[in-house]
Order: sequence, then C-alpha cells, then structure tokens
Amino acid sequence: LAKTTQPISMDSYEGQEVNITCSHNNIATNDYITWYQQFPSQGPRFIIQGYKTKVTNEVASLFIPADRKSSTLSLPRVSLSDTAVYYCLVVIYSSASKIIFGSGTRLSIRP
Amino acid sequence: DTGVSQDPRHKITKRGQNVTFRCDPISEHNRLYWYRQTLGQGPEFLTYFQNEAQLEKSRLLSDRFSAERPKGSFSTLEIQRTEQGDSAMYLCASSLERGSSYEQYFGPGTRLTVT
Repeated sequence: LAKTTQPISMDSYEGQEVNITCSHNNIATNDYITWYQQFPSQGPRFIIQGYKTKVTNEVASLFIPADRKSSTLSLPRVSLSDTAVYYCLVVIYSSASKIIFGSGTRLSIRP
Repeated sequence: DTGVSQDPRHKITKRGQNVTFRCDPISEHNRLYWYRQTLGQGPEFLTYFQNEAQLEKSRLLSDRFSAERPKGSFSTLEIQRTEQGDSAMYLCASSLERGSSYEQYFGPGTRLTVT
C-alpha cells in the first residue's frame, strides 16, 4: 500500500476555504484516494474518494492531478465544527482489506 | 439509529483480566473490521471479516487477542490477560462492497483502560 504524507496540523478561520494536500508518490494503478474525518471521541467518517481529476460532494472536493502522486482535499467555507483530524488514505480498488491510517492532519478552525 | 454500534463504550479493567467487546455492524454490510487507536495516532488495523470468515489479521493481534463473527452478523473482540499497553480505543467498522466505492462506517468505539 502506498504511503501518504500530509501536514501534521493546519489552522484557518471560519468562512475560509481550506486545502489539505497529501502526497502519495508510490500510488499504484488500482489505488483510490480516500479521505476520512475524525472528531474527538468518535470513529472516523468517510468524506470523499476519487481516482483522478476532480470529485465533489456535499461536503468537500477532491482534486487529483494527472500523475496522481498527490491530492488536495478542499473544504469550502469552513466553520468551527470542521475542527477535526483529516486522514488521507490510499485504498486498493475493490479490496476488502485494511485501511492504513497515518497520523492525519489536525485542522483547527478559529472564529 | 442504523449505524454501527459498539458495547460497552467504556471499560476499565485491572491488568490480567479478560475483556470482551461487541460490535453490531450495519445490517446489510458483509464486511466487518476492528481497529485500535491510541492518543494522537490514527487507527491501526487489527483484523477483518467477510461474512463469518476472518480473512486477515494484523501482526498487532497477539495470541491474547481473538475475534469472532458467528453467523456473519455481530462480532466480538476478546483480550485475554490484559496489559497496560492494551489501553486504547477499539473501533469497529463495517462496509458493503459496491463497485469502485470503498467506504467504511465506523462505530463510536470502546475505550479500554487497563489499570
């Protein structure tokens, strides 16, 4: 499984757009890029997944360049409730096996 | 609530005691996973089931740990002869394979404290 690297922490303010970049240089052809969010004392929650170009849902957008060696999670107009840890993961397509979590990015949103 | 549930939510035990945790996945999900998370770290994979079959176990899962999923429904994780290093949050997740989407639904976790 490809290793991912992301910033340990980020700070932003309410109403701003937040972009968290993740690098995954050894991503394989069958790998998907997946992001999870975790609030304190809760289990992680799936946010978004993509293979290439751009994916958007009601929560976030995911940008993946053509070489797929990095990806950027974009959170539009963050609020205090977006304060959480965000994990970037590489997941084998159609695999039932484990997810490898790194340490994630601790995002703090200030008023 | 039709999400993943775990019981108990908190468990305090003395070193050397056995503990058992239960996970009830989302009913139609055929895959079930156990993870362990310590403070400041991401969850670490322990084991997973497809229906009742245990398909993968991490090397983190020592002989003191055992997991079962009888009849492919709920699962239990037992830790025998607990040690202080077992103190952690134990998370359960479930998923249903569908096409190219890969999404695990996590429960709230069981926080274990070994004194």
